[in-house]
Amino acid sequence: KNEVEQSPQNLTAQEGEFITINCSYSVGISALHWLQQHPGGGIVSLFMLSSGKKKHGRLIATINIQEKHSSLHITASHPRDSAVYICAVTLNTGTASKLTFGTGTRLQVTL
Amino acid sequence: NAGVMQNPRHLVRRRGQEARLRCSPVKGHSHVYWYRQLPEEGLKFMVYLQKENIIDESGMPKERFSAEFPKEGPSILRIQQVVRGDSAAYFCASSPGPNYGYTFGSGTRLTVV
Repeated sequence: KNEVEQSPQNLTAQEGEFITINCSYSVGISALHWLQQHPGGGIVSLFMLSSGKKKHGRLIATINIQEKHSSLHITASHPRDSAVYICAVTLNTGTASKLTFGTGTRLQVTL
Repeated sequence: NAGVMQNPRHLVRRRGQEARLRCSPVKGHSHVYWYRQLPEEGLKFMVYLQKENIIDESGMPKERFSAEFPKEGPSILRIQQVVRGDSAAYFCASSPGPNYGYTFGSGTRLTVV
């Protein structure tokens, strides 16, 4: 079982819809990250969370430490939001600060 | 202020050749991480370096792969005697410290023919 699980794996939405992507993890973490990757493109860091909620434009990320769960929400989705969204965690072990990744959620927003 | 610069963006090597991937971190960032993304798979950690030191190489294959981050110049991921299974996207990320966020490069897409 992966330490970081995402759902759904694939998601298709119509422009304007509210989107939620979920991430669960099974280990102690010091931080959780949401990343965006466009096809053939680089990786952009969207959020780094250790508690509560963060908002940036149409994107909102929340984390519940007790339940080991995080959600990424996209309001008023747009075709340019089409990308793979990746949840990653920094494990709470010693000096390790490397990221452990989920397998990603492929989002397609259509007109 | 440039972000993380990786070059080359695309690299084609024949089996048995060497591949050198370069990563220049964000100015002022002393922590560098290399990650590999195999086709249709998720990202996997390879190695974590600070200037002149390898901190964690638990994700590096034991043979043919090496990494360095010299006092001056970019971090280098070196793959000797490449095989088809090394074909992947290799991403570098940098950070000012272990409890800070990361900035990723655009990746180097290695194709072994």
